[in-house]
Amino acid sequence: EIVMTQSPATLSVSPGERATLSCRASQSVSSNLAWYQQKPGQAPRLLIYGASTRATGIPARFSGSGSGTEFTLTISSLQSEDFAVYYCQQYNIWPPELTFGGGTKVEIK
Amino acid sequence: QLQLQESGPGLVKPSETLSLTCTVTGDSISSDTFYWGWIRQPPGKGLEWIGTIYYTGSTYYNPSLKSRVSISVDTSKNQFSLKLSSVTAADTAVYYCARHPPPGATRVDYWGQGTLVTVSS
Repeated sequence: EIVMTQSPATLSVSPGERATLSCRASQSVSSNLAWYQQKPGQAPRLLIYGASTRATGIPARFSGSGSGTEFTLTISSLQSEDFAVYYCQQYNIWPPELTFGGGTKVEIK
Repeated sequence: QLQLQESGPGLVKPSETLSLTCTVTGDSISSDTFYWGWIRQPPGKGLEWIGTIYYTGSTYYNPSLKSRVSISVDTSKNQFSLKLSSVTAADTAVYYCARHPPPGATRVDYWGQGTLVTVSS
């Protein structure tokens, strides 16, 4: 089983600042990596897939990078609506298997 | 507009079977493009993939839950369902149904609103 580890667990950032979130896989997942944003009481929302492709309607301030075992989600200038929990998720194409990281909470500094 | 809606009991007794249904509107579950899945989230914790089904009935399960999980599809009702047997308090969670865009069961682009299932006597 591939284990996904996110760091830090909590990130305190001021509005307008850059946020950098990390996700590490226990073995290579190539570029089969997605990022989600989840706000309290809501379902997650897909932000990034294929490690770096923004999903439909996602603002350009969200960007993803990395491949293999090390991945990064960057929010270039935090807006008030960006304070949330972010999850990475690896997907094995065949056979299908999905694993989520433990999440990073981005909070207002 | 695609919508997924979970339904089922909100309270299940320990050792019994949890049963949920996801009704899909705005798209055909028989489309050969998409896979359909279940994901859960215990209160205050992270996300866990439970399993995924294709309209043909092919299923793929989380190895850690495989012995207790069954997912089925009813194309005539545009629904798919989850059964989780021998539940314990550790199965208390918000259960989401979801759509996987191609290729295969990879990312999730649409989620249901989620339904809280509590396991308690």
